Amino acid sequence: GAGVSQSPSNKVTEKGKDVELRCDPISGHTALYWYRQSLGQGLEFLIYFQGNSAPDKSGLPSDRFSAERTGGSVSTLTIQRTQQEDSAVYLCASSFRDSNQPQHFGDGTRLSIL
Amino acid sequence: AQKITQTQPGMFVQEKEAVTLDCTYDTSDPSYGLFWYKQPSSGEMIFLIYQGSYDQQNATEGRYSLNFQKARKSANLVISASQLGDSAMYFCAMRESLYSGAGSYQLTFGKGTKLSVIP
Repeated sequence: GAGVSQSPSNKVTEKGKDVELRCDPISGHTALYWYRQSLGQGLEFLIYFQGNSAPDKSGLPSDRFSAERTGGSVSTLTIQRTQQEDSAVYLCASSFRDSNQPQHFGDGTRLSIL
Repeated sequence: AQKITQTQPGMFVQEKEAVTLDCTYDTSDPSYGLFWYKQPSSGEMIFLIYQGSYDQQNATEGRYSLNFQKARKSANLVISASQLGDSAMYFCAMRESLYSGAGSYQLTFGKGTKLSVIP
């Protein structure tokens, strides 16, 4: 079975541009998470989707960040007007809803803002 | 206060020896879960082992075991018979409100420990 798939694997863009990062979770997983990994901050939670419930956006660092999940499957994380501090690896994870089930991560998107 | 503390930024271990990676946590929630992940230089996060706060026995998974000391709020990862392929970053993570149905089940991660296995 396929794991969590993220695209692109690398993205280089100029400051001020918008970027879209895509995540395709493991089939059957109802929960989907976005995390950000940077040298200074470690791994930080960004947003969580569970089925058709309203997402938990409590980790989004600013209103330039948004995410959606269509049809309970694929998710897109959008960063508008990118800043240099947005440079990081963006990791997507998915899991079954059950509380003790591990989250399975994709390989991440390495975002570099010039 | 940090919720997950990994005090060892880097560790070295001789191949075939055992190694313990430390993790302490801070929560007032009675129901929580602790997870360990491995991140090789290639970048993927690989789930290793899980321990629930109500689990009576320490978790084991192949060469990995978790030394769970609830009163001390520690959940150290023990890797037995180290292999060269074990060289990686290791992250301890916690999920709170495990059985209440509240919260989003997000993971809070420690800063990680870089393990290097020496031939």
